[in-house]
Parts: sequence; structure tokens; C-alpha cells
Amino acid sequence: ETGVTQTPRHLVMGMTNKKSLKCEQHLGHNAMYWYKQSAKKPLELMFVYSLEERVENNSVPSRFSPECPNSSHLFLHLHTLQPEDSALYLCASSQDWGTSYEQYFGPGTRLTVT
Amino acid sequence: TQLLEQSPQFLSIQEGENLTVYCNSSSVFSSLQWYRQEPGEGPVLLVTVVTGGEVKKLKRLTFQFGDARKDSSLHITAAQPGDTGLYLCAGADYGGSQGNLIFGKGTKLSVKP
Repeated sequence: ETGVTQTPRHLVMGMTNKKSLKCEQHLGHNAMYWYKQSAKKPLELMFVYSLEERVENNSVPSRFSPECPNSSHLFLHLHTLQPEDSALYLCASSQDWGTSYEQYFGPGTRLTVT
Repeated sequence: TQLLEQSPQFLSIQEGENLTVYCNSSSVFSSLQWYRQEPGEGPVLLVTVVTGGEVKKLKRLTFQFGDARKDSSLHITAAQPGDTGLYLCAGADYGGSQGNLIFGKGTKLSVKP
């Protein structure tokens, strides 16, 4: 596997379920990101991890809980979501945290909350 | 709050036509990136422009960064069906929080054969 991978690619969950999204990067990067992409809205940055430490949390509801156990893996734990949380969730990585570093995106997880 | 406005939102053209899409802001960015996102995939970086007035070419794609670093354009010559996708611009914070990109909503391009 190369680049940034995400699993699952599609997820349907009820509002009372608990699920997790997984992201893995094979690029040796030190920074990883979660973004939310909704229809008719710009990509929204949710969380940033640099060297496994969370450096950014953009007022994201607590029903989204990130975890970065090592520099290659990033998780997004989901619980008691709302229908408006349905979106494409994208993971990205970059060599280091900073806008001079290119971000490489995974294919995303298409989440539907019923 | 820094915002990037992209226009047009949607564009449907025939193969062989030329087109230009725009990315505008009232804020100054230290750099600007263009991405293309195909259905079912994540965005893929096409180019980064850094210097005001800079022009970069990538085969049939020409990217320009405005002199004041507040706007950018992407021109495609002789569009092909393979150019179909969502084109996103993203600006790097200028003096803001470290390391974050501000994305526009994108231009959805459809090139018909």
C-alpha cells in the first residue's frame, strides 16, 4: 500500500451507534489531519496532529473523538452522531505541520447517519 | 474570517473548449494551492503558487497568482473528458494559526466528449 488509505470507504450508522474511522499513511509523514467535506460547503478542518500530539481542534463537537496512536495511524471515533454529520470524511498527511508542506489526501469515508 | 470564493460553481463544456476558473478573497495568503478531486476520491494537489504574479504551467493547465496574493485563476486549454472533476483552491494562512489551509467550495467541471 502506498500513500494515504482510509477504511471503511462507506459507513451507514444509526444515531445511537459507535463506530471508528481509520486512516493510515505510508509516507513517513509527521502531521495528519481530519477534514469534513459536506455538499455546498468548503472542506472543514477538524483536527490536526503533529508528531502524535493534537495541535488543532476547530470547535468540533465532542461526539467526534480523534486518536493518533503513532505517526502512521489516525482514528476518528464516532458516537451519538446526528444526521447533519453525514458527509465525506477525509484524512490527509504532510511531512510536517505547516502550510509550506503539501498535504496528501486519502480517498475518504462516505458516512451516512440515519 | 478568511474566505475563498470560487467561481463558477459549476461548468459544463465540450471537449476541446478552453475555460478559466477563479478563486478570490479579500485576504492575503502566503501561498495558494490548487487541487483536483475526482468522484469517490480525495483531492490531489496540482500546484502551489507562492509569489505574487507567479504563473505556473502544468501541460494544458495554467495557474496564476494575483499580484496582491488575494486571488488566483486556473486556465485549461483544449479541455478533455479526463479533466472532469472538482477543482479546489486552498490558501495558506497569512499570519494566522500555524499550518492550516482555507479551502474554497470548489468548481465542478464536466467535460463532455
